[in-house]
Amino acid sequence: GAVVSQHPSWVICKSGTSVKIECRSLDFQATTMFWYRQFPKQSLMLMATSNEGSKATYEQGVEKDKFLINHASLTLSTLTVTSAHPEDSSFYICSARGSGTYEQYFGPGTRLTVT
Amino acid sequence: GQNIDQPTEMTATEGAIVQINCTYQTSGFNGLFWYQQHAGEAPTFLSYNVLDGLEEKGRFSSFLSRSKGYSYLLLKELQMKDSASYLCAEGYSGAGSYQLTFGKGTKLSVIP
Repeated sequence: GAVVSQHPSWVICKSGTSVKIECRSLDFQATTMFWYRQFPKQSLMLMATSNEGSKATYEQGVEKDKFLINHASLTLSTLTVTSAHPEDSSFYICSARGSGTYEQYFGPGTRLTVT
Repeated sequence: GQNIDQPTEMTATEGAIVQINCTYQTSGFNGLFWYQQHAGEAPTFLSYNVLDGLEEKGRFSSFLSRSKGYSYLLLKELQMKDSASYLCAEGYSGAGSYQLTFGKGTKLSVIP
């Protein structure tokens, strides 16, 4: 149980375009979803936390107008990278947590390359 | 909590035992997690400690000392497939939710 999917698994886009990444909890209801970014040989850095039906809470230094997060249902959250630039190229990973538990289940990640 | 410190790299022999240490700031501590991450993949959950002591789960065990801000992950009977990064993560309450702060990970290489 506790499977989280992400789509797409990889994407290449041109500078200035927008990219949407989906994160789904397949067999449980995710009351909270998290979005992380990981650069090569670096740790996972939390970008934002979103609770279903409410606005996401962004970590310091993460532009909320650039990284749009929507958590419209208990099984789906989306991250849209707007006006992407090469420095946004990274591995984006979502995780989901159900109510009454501390454990986060991670999606397989999305590798974004902006050319 | 935060300021999680763990070794950058370790090498061990197949069949051996290896211990990966992790230290963290104790203020605001609310749980210690270990995750395994293979290159290019998302982390997978290994263990969770909130009380002092050793938690054993098959070949993997995790230890916690809250007073010392210290944890370790013990891997026994190492297999080649155990070559991966091992992430220590501290749980804390922030932004109205329970969150994790990850260390940079320890890259373990298992050699024949």
